[in-house]
Amino acid sequence: GAGVSQSPSNKVTEKGKDVELRCDPISGHTALYWYRQSLGQGLEFLIYFQGNSAPDKSGLPSDRFSAERTGGSVSTLTIQRTQQEDSAVYLCASSPWGTQYFGPGTRLTVL
Amino acid sequence: TQLLEQSPQFLSIQEGENLTVYCNSSSVFSSLQWYRQEPGEGPVLLVTVVTGGEVKKLKRLTFQFGDARKDSSLHITAAQPGDTGLYLCAGPASGGSNYKLTFGKGTLLTVNP
Repeated sequence: GAGVSQSPSNKVTEKGKDVELRCDPISGHTALYWYRQSLGQGLEFLIYFQGNSAPDKSGLPSDRFSAERTGGSVSTLTIQRTQQEDSAVYLCASSPWGTQYFGPGTRLTVL
Repeated sequence: TQLLEQSPQFLSIQEGENLTVYCNSSSVFSSLQWYRQEPGEGPVLLVTVVTGGEVKKLKRLTFQFGDARKDSSLHITAAQPGDTGLYLCAGPASGGSNYKLTFGKGTLLTVNP
């Protein structure tokens, strides 16, 4: 079956612009995660959605970052007023329970 | 904050050689996971170890969880170019949130033909 998909695969933007990154999880997976992977760094947890529960936003680095999940499926990560330090690969993962299945990521470059 | 330290950071070897990479922490983890990430892809789970002293084998890959559940190792026998990738270890973050994983920075392995 289809895996986790993310779009766009690459995004180049100018400092100060807003960006939206999209994640389509595996159908039926109730949990969805966003991570950030910067050069030379491990994966950094950003946010977690589980069913209809309130999301765990404890990993969001600033109030410029937000995410939503509509209808328990597709999720969008929004970064407002992007900064150069936001440049990274943003990974999405979904899970039925336990094992996380990762998408290929969106590489964001802020000029 | 629980930290996972991975070593070495980089490893370049010839096809057929054996290697071991390490994942260490000063904290106890209820379980540890190992992932492999290839360029342009997301991490893929290889194994989860949950019992101190546990050894799991996956073809040429052998995973061990330390007795005290603070460290783990991955040993690859007769490495092949297809083993090339970033190897990441991860464990549940402290505070009871088992869904939230802490990742190490990874070991970037290159196997040359």
